[in-house]
Amino acid sequence: SAVISQKPSRDICQRGTSLTIQCQVDSQVTMMFWYRQQPGQSLTLIATANQGSEATYESGFVIDKFPISRPNLTFSTLTVSNMSPEDSSIYLCSVGFVGESDEQFFGPGTRLTVL
Amino acid sequence: QKEVEQDPGPLSVPEGAIVSLNCTYSNSAFQYFMWYRQYSRKGPELLMYTYSSGNKEDGRFTAQVDKSSKYISLFIRDSQPSDSATYLCAMKMFSGGYNKLIFGAGTRLAVHP
Repeated sequence: SAVISQKPSRDICQRGTSLTIQCQVDSQVTMMFWYRQQPGQSLTLIATANQGSEATYESGFVIDKFPISRPNLTFSTLTVSNMSPEDSSIYLCSVGFVGESDEQFFGPGTRLTVL
Repeated sequence: QKEVEQDPGPLSVPEGAIVSLNCTYSNSAFQYFMWYRQYSRKGPELLMYTYSSGNKEDGRFTAQVDKSSKYISLFIRDSQPSDSATYLCAMKMFSGGYNKLIFGAGTRLAVHP
């Protein structure tokens, strides 16, 4: 298993600004992912954060809007750029281990409100 | 059509009831099936994980997979108020070089004393 922390836990931001969310894991992990959970919606994968290379983005998400860094095997950041009220959501970091089950563990999430 | 369909509820049951939560899916490439539980203002936690068709039990929880019908279920026996949470089904498939999770919308469950 893994213990995952996210900062900030919540924030209220103004339209047009950017917010960087941090994800810290207590052990080295193979995979790190960023998800978005909008009210009443399912979790949607934004991108896979790759250590030492550019993130892999899912359809509908682009690097200019959601730049991601992963400088090592225990840390990643997601930036939500040029925010609009439509970006109000919960952003979740998830980690996974390569193995039989490839189980994924989730952080507590960052609740973002854009005014 | 969504790849994974899940009734969002809410579902309200009395304590001690048997709860049935369901998801359907359309993609035959899904290989693994999971149920996550998410308490309010927390991240999802893995509850059950299955691969093959059939039943898997863990305490009061039973996960059922029917690949021929593309249908999965989670049964909760003797439900408790502490089971009140949102339950998300998730399917895993190998895509783009790594395993990818596709989630249902989640069913909100309330168990009242």
